[in-house]
Amino acid sequence: QKEVEQDPGPLSVPEGAIVSLNCTYSNSAFQYFMWYRQYSRKGPELLMYTYSSGNKEDGRFTAQVDKSSKYISLFIRDSQPSDSATYLCAMSPRGGYQKVTFGTGTKLQVIP
Amino acid sequence: NAGVMQNPRHLVRRRGQEARLRCSPMKGHSHVYWYRQLPEEGLKFMVYLQKENIIDESGMPKERFSAEFPKEGPSILRIQQVVRGDSAAYFCASQGMEETQYFGPGTRLLVL
Repeated sequence: QKEVEQDPGPLSVPEGAIVSLNCTYSNSAFQYFMWYRQYSRKGPELLMYTYSSGNKEDGRFTAQVDKSSKYISLFIRDSQPSDSATYLCAMSPRGGYQKVTFGTGTKLQVIP
Repeated sequence: NAGVMQNPRHLVRRRGQEARLRCSPMKGHSHVYWYRQLPEEGLKFMVYLQKENIIDESGMPKERFSAEFPKEGPSILRIQQVVRGDSAAYFCASQGMEETQYFGPGTRLLVL
């Protein structure tokens, strides 16, 4: 069993839709959670970072963490064609300097 | 302020040759991580280095792979006697005082 499970998609939605991306994890030691966006042939770019259960909002993006269920989500409101990319969830046991464990990524396409 | 730089961006090697991948971290960052991304898979941690020290190499294959981050100059990931299974995108990330890893654009290695 992988430490982090993520539906690879692809997920195709119309412009303006609300997108929900999810990951589950099995390692209860994970305490820090991140979402990265990766455009084709580019490096990952950090979108959201949180270390507590609950919601964190940044513009059109909301990250949600439920540690009791070992489940994290990223919501994108008013999705735009420019949001078309692969979204990677990532996590680590603590902050600071250490390796990060990534999900396989969900490919999202927002259709104009 | 330049981001993380990697070169070359594309590298073609024949089986048995050596591959050298370079990573220049962001200015002021002294922590470097290397990750490998295979098709349809997420990023897998390989090694974490500080200047002149390997901190965590738990994800590095035991043979043929080595990494260094000298006092001066870029971090180098070296793959000796490459095989077709080494074909992948190799990303480095750098980290400064923040709890965030910033990724470079990657080096795409193709082994013929």
